[in-house]
Amino acid sequence: GQNIDQPTEMTATEGAIVQINCTYQTSGFNGLFWYQQHAGEAPTFLSYNVLDGLEEKGRFSSFLSRSKGYSYLLLKELQMKDSASYLCAVRPLSGGYNKLIFGAGTRLAVHP
Amino acid sequence: DVKVTQSSRYLVKRTGEKVFLECVQDMDHENMFWYRQDPGLGLRLIYFSYDVKMKEKGDIPEGYSVSREKKERFSLILESASTNQTSMYLCASSFPPGHMKSQPQHFGDGTRLSIL
Repeated sequence: GQNIDQPTEMTATEGAIVQINCTYQTSGFNGLFWYQQHAGEAPTFLSYNVLDGLEEKGRFSSFLSRSKGYSYLLLKELQMKDSASYLCAVRPLSGGYNKLIFGAGTRLAVHP
Repeated sequence: DVKVTQSSRYLVKRTGEKVFLECVQDMDHENMFWYRQDPGLGLRLIYFSYDVKMKEKGDIPEGYSVSREKKERFSLILESASTNQTSMYLCASSFPPGHMKSQPQHFGDGTRLSIL
C-alpha cells in the first residue's frame, strides 16, 4: 500500500525552531513536496526534494532520506503567520503523470 | 504567477441534484486534478486529466465524473449528490514531470460544498 504519516498537531513559540516529520511508503519515488495551507485557503508550494540531503529556502529547510523513507520540514525564527497546516506529499513513479499522494497534514500553532 | 480559479467558494445543493464544479487555469498546464479534503484524511485524489479529453480515475472516483473539453478547463460532476459528498473540493494543475525538476501542483482556493 501507499502511506504517508505526519503528526496531527504541533505547537511552538514565536522565534523558536520547529521540525515537522514525514515518513512515507509508496510504490516508487519521484520526489517529495511540502505545502503550506492557511485555514480556508489553497495549499501553496514550499519546497521540493528528490535527492538525499537538505534544501534551504530562507527560514524554511526541507530534508530527505530516501533509504529511510523520511523527510522533515524545518521552520526557523517562527512567526505568528507560520500558524498553518503543513502537508507532505510524495510523487510515486506513475507513468509520467504528476500525481501526488498527500499526508493528512500537520496543524502548527505558533504562540507568542 | 499561476492562477487556478474555481467557479464558487461556497455551494449548497440538495441530495439527488447533479452538481458541476468548474476549474480554470491560465498556465497552459497539461495536468489537472480534482481532490476532496476532509478533516483527518488530507487531500484525496478523485480524478485527474493529463491532456484534453484524457482522464484517469484517482483513489475515490465513485459518484463523480469529469470533463476536459479544453486544455484550460477541468470540470468535476457529481452525478447525483449525496450527503457524504459534503466536503472541500480543490482543483490543481501542473506541467507533467520531465524537463523541469519539481513541477509542483498549483491549487485553486477551493469550493466548500454542502449537500443537504
